[in-house]
Amino acid sequence: DAKTTQPNSMESNEEEPVHLPCNHSTISGTDYIHWYRQLPSQGPEYVIHGLTSNVNNRMASLAIAEDRKSSTLILHRATLRDAAVYYCILRGSQGNLIFGKGTKLSVKP
Amino acid sequence: EAQVTQNPRYLITVTGKKLTVTCSQNMNHEYMSWYRQDPGLGLRQIYYSMNVEVTDKGDVPEGYKVSRKEKRNFPLILESPSPNQTSLYFCASSFQVPQTGESGNTIYFGEGSWLTVV
Repeated sequence: DAKTTQPNSMESNEEEPVHLPCNHSTISGTDYIHWYRQLPSQGPEYVIHGLTSNVNNRMASLAIAEDRKSSTLILHRATLRDAAVYYCILRGSQGNLIFGKGTKLSVKP
Repeated sequence: EAQVTQNPRYLITVTGKKLTVTCSQNMNHEYMSWYRQDPGLGLRQIYYSMNVEVTDKGDVPEGYKVSRKEKRNFPLILESPSPNQTSLYFCASSFQVPQTGESGNTIYFGEGSWLTVV
């Protein structure tokens, strides 16, 4: 299974954009890139996913490098409620789901 | 409403007393999985299942068993619990083959089961 590498932690100020990076150099052509986040004492929740093109939804944007070996989750205006652990996950059509340790995002008021 | 339901949500038990944590999903998902979460270690996979009667070990299967006799249920069995199995457990499910639409590839998680073994 392909692996992902994320920074252990990041800090942001409230109302500012946040760019959360993820490296996945062993990604295969059919692996989807998923992002999930986990708030304290809760189960992970879906944020966004993509395959090749950049993706936008109401929560975030996902920028995927042209060679697909890295991606960036963009929170356009961080709020205190965005403080969470963010997981970048790869998954193929017949693939297992393996989480790394994720990036702990702290948001300062 | 799309749901993954785990039971019990909270349990304190004693070493060696067999217990089962149930997981049920109502979305006709092929894929189901169990994770445990411990401080500083992220989510570690215990077992997963690609479909009925198909199960595989994850990263930390020791001390656990699972079964997948029907599509909607994926129970986690601790035959002889020990204190090092004290943890927060999550069940998850999804379609195996990506579906169209944003929700088609989404992984749904249960609310978690806090298990303490004394």
